[in-house]
Order: sequence, then C-alpha cells, then structure tokens
Amino acid sequence: AQSVTQLDSQVPVFEEAPVELRCNYSSSVSVYLFWYVQYPNQGLQLLLKYLSGSTLVKGINGFEAEFNKSQTSFHLRKPSVHISDTAEYFCAVSEDDKIIFGKGTRLHILP
Amino acid sequence: NAGVMQNPRHLVRRRGQEARLRCSPVKGHSHVYWYRQLPEEGLKFMVYLQKENIIDESGMPKERFSAEFPKEGPSILRIQQVVRGDSAAYFCASSPPRIGNAEAFFGQGTRLTVV
Repeated sequence: AQSVTQLDSQVPVFEEAPVELRCNYSSSVSVYLFWYVQYPNQGLQLLLKYLSGSTLVKGINGFEAEFNKSQTSFHLRKPSVHISDTAEYFCAVSEDDKIIFGKGTRLHILP
Repeated sequence: NAGVMQNPRHLVRRRGQEARLRCSPVKGHSHVYWYRQLPEEGLKFMVYLQKENIIDESGMPKERFSAEFPKEGPSILRIQQVVRGDSAAYFCASSPPRIGNAEAFFGQGTRLTVV
C-alpha cells in the first residue's frame, strides 16, 4: 500500500522568504502525486499535480513542486511567501482510484 | 457551476444519537469519496463509492458507520449511536472515473461534534 510522509508538522517562515515543504512517498511502478491546500475552516483545494512528463510542476498561487523518482520525493516550494499562504498543506498520492494523504504541514507566516 | 456541496456544515449530536452527513458531488461526477480529519492526523480515507455501488470501504470502521450513493440524490454517510471519538471533520470529494489522472474536488466539510 502506498504511504505519504510529511516530515514537518509545522513550518514557520518570515513573509517574503522562500519555503519548502517536504513530502516523501513509498515507491510504486507508476504514481500520481498531488499537493492540496486547506485554508482555515475550509475544504481542500488542489495546488498542483504530477501525472507524467516534466518533473517540475507549477501550480496556483506561485507554488511549484519537483518530482524526484530516485529520492521518492515531491517537495513543494515557493520563492516568496505571503501572509495569505497561511494554511495547512497536504501531500497526496493516488492508489487504486483513491487518494492517500500525508498528515499535513501547517505553514505559519511570520510578519 | 456548483462544486461539491456538503451539509450541514456543523452538526452537534448527543452520545447515542445518529448523524447523517450529506454530499452532493459536482454535476456529472460519478465517484464519491469520504474522508475523516482528526486534529494532527491529516485526512483518513473512509470509503469510495460509485452510484449504487461501494467500491472500497477499507477505511470504514466495522460498526456503526455506513455510506451510500443512491441513483438519485446525494451520498450519505451515516453514523449510528455516535460516541465522543466520532467528533471530527468529515470531507467528501467527487471525481469523474479514474481519479489517478483526475483531480478530486472537495467539499467544505461537515464538522461533527458529539456532546
């Protein structure tokens, strides 16, 4: 069975600084990877997804992620964060037509 | 262009009562998923349904929980004889077939509080 590991439960970062949220997944022959964002008291919104092709995936709100097969990683990055990026971020992998989520990483933007 | 609609947004039940959570998928989507979110635990898969058919219920507790997605109407997640440990946010998502290469759209969730 697939699994997703988000090593950091919380990440504090100053406004306008870069950020990287880490995600590792268990290996599989083929894998589809996702990052979702959950703003306070909201549902989940898709940030970006990797299905195939280019390993660098660009998403909404200036986020991007890089698929690294050898390291089984799919880290999320943003070069300059804004206070509005305060949210919880979930890495996910699809398996057998269902999505398996990591435990999430809370991004705290410091003024 | 309605997305996934869940209701109610907030539900309070006393221990022993029944909770019924409803989910209307995106128009045209034939697949519905239910997830439970507990603090510090992320989202846990519960069940995956097509219309009139349960595809995968490997995440559903063995007792008190059931789900359906009838031919007409919303998907229902039903929790009988609720206990305090059932307090959580329950999210529904829908997708067209083959979620592996399609986005799942999530609702706003139902926050269940058992008192």
